[in-house]
Amino acid sequence: GNSVTQMEGPVTLSEEAFLTINCTYTATGYPSLFWYVQYPGEGLQLLLKATKADDKGSNKGFEATYRKETTSFHLEKGSVQVSDSAVYFCALNPNSGGYQKVTFGTGTKLQVIP
Amino acid sequence: EAGVAQSPRYKIIEKRQSVAFWCNPISGHATLYWYQQILGQGPKLLIQFQNNGVVDDSQLPKDRFSAERLKGVDSTLKIQPAKLEDSAVYLCASRLMTGSGYTFGSGTRLTVV
Repeated sequence: GNSVTQMEGPVTLSEEAFLTINCTYTATGYPSLFWYVQYPGEGLQLLLKATKADDKGSNKGFEATYRKETTSFHLEKGSVQVSDSAVYFCALNPNSGGYQKVTFGTGTKLQVIP
Repeated sequence: EAGVAQSPRYKIIEKRQSVAFWCNPISGHATLYWYQQILGQGPKLLIQFQNNGVVDDSQLPKDRFSAERLKGVDSTLKIQPAKLEDSAVYLCASRLMTGSGYTFGSGTRLTVV
């Protein structure tokens, strides 16, 4: 079946540090890949997405590139801010036709300290 | 556009009581989802509706959970009777079309004591 594996958190960084949160997936075919962010006490918000191999999704300074050869979709940001503190979820949509069920990773908590 | 609306935001009940959650998706979004998110875990799909029909309820504990979407718009999720392990955030999400991202509501935090 489909699965998403994320690095365990929490990830603690100082402000302006470089961020990488690893995400790898298992799926047949050509899934769409997503990163969602969840701020404390809120629901999940779509951060960025990529729908085919080598696509780069980007939003709010965050980027992730769809790497089919390594089945990865790592999230990166060049300079994090305290306001980026949240839980980040990697997810995939199988796009395999018929009924499609999105699979979420377990989430990675990011803490950014001033 | 207005987001996905959920109510209530918080609910505390005793075990064996019943509770209901409400969700109003984004206008025009045919697909609606209910997720359960236990603290420290990713969202787990409980049920998916396409318009007012159920597409997937394979992970819904049907002995105690029920959900409906009568007119293909808003939806309710009910738990009766609640157990301690039902303590979680219940998230509603909607999607415009296959392949697009979900829009989530802020969730209902349920505490069963």
